[in-house]
Amino acid sequence: GQSLEQPSEVTAVEGAIVQINCTYQTSGFYGLSWYQQHDGGAPTFLSYNALDGLEETGRFSSFLSRSDSYGYLLLQELQMKDSASYFCAAPGNTPLVFGKGTRLSVIA
Amino acid sequence: DGGITQSPKYLFRKEGQNVTLSCEQNLNHDAMYWYRQDPGQGLRLIYYSQIVNDFQKGDIAEGYSVSREKKESFPLTVTSAQKNPTAFYLCASSPRVARGQHFYTDTQYFGPGTRLTVL
Repeated sequence: GQSLEQPSEVTAVEGAIVQINCTYQTSGFYGLSWYQQHDGGAPTFLSYNALDGLEETGRFSSFLSRSDSYGYLLLQELQMKDSASYFCAAPGNTPLVFGKGTRLSVIA
Repeated sequence: DGGITQSPKYLFRKEGQNVTLSCEQNLNHDAMYWYRQDPGQGLRLIYYSQIVNDFQKGDIAEGYSVSREKKESFPLTVTSAQKNPTAFYLCASSPRVARGQHFYTDTQYFGPGTRLTVL
């Protein structure tokens, strides 16, 4: 089976940088995905790391270390609109397994 | 435009009634999923289907039923046996990629969700 652990809440200041961590235990691992969900909305795909290292997409970056069973999502130049829940997920040969989500609150 | 749609957006039901939530996709994805989300909680898998005419129970299938007669459609019925059905229901689809003898479920695309309230 698979399980993913992430912090339940994070608060950060507008304009700052925040890192949301995800540790996983899997019996078959292909990579780590990240999804964003605003209140009342549907999750949307942000990024996917199949290989170790950093993937950058604009203000968002995602990192994976297979040897440490660990990944993180890095959000730079935080904006108020980044306030949302962020889920890590592990694709594989079974349905996508999601972490329980980290609620990010961006404050002025 | 390709996408995944759910209807209705809001649904009210009296206790003891069955209700069916619609999910349609025109992304030509093989796999489809239903999740339940309660306030402040993560996504819990109800049912999934990796191919037409086949579906599997997820973590919380009791009180729910599904069908997959067409590739594009994966309706979810919330039955009267579901004791606490008030929740936000999300449908998703994803392509399946063959990797050796296994199929790999790729990025999921979510519909806008249906918020079900039992009165």
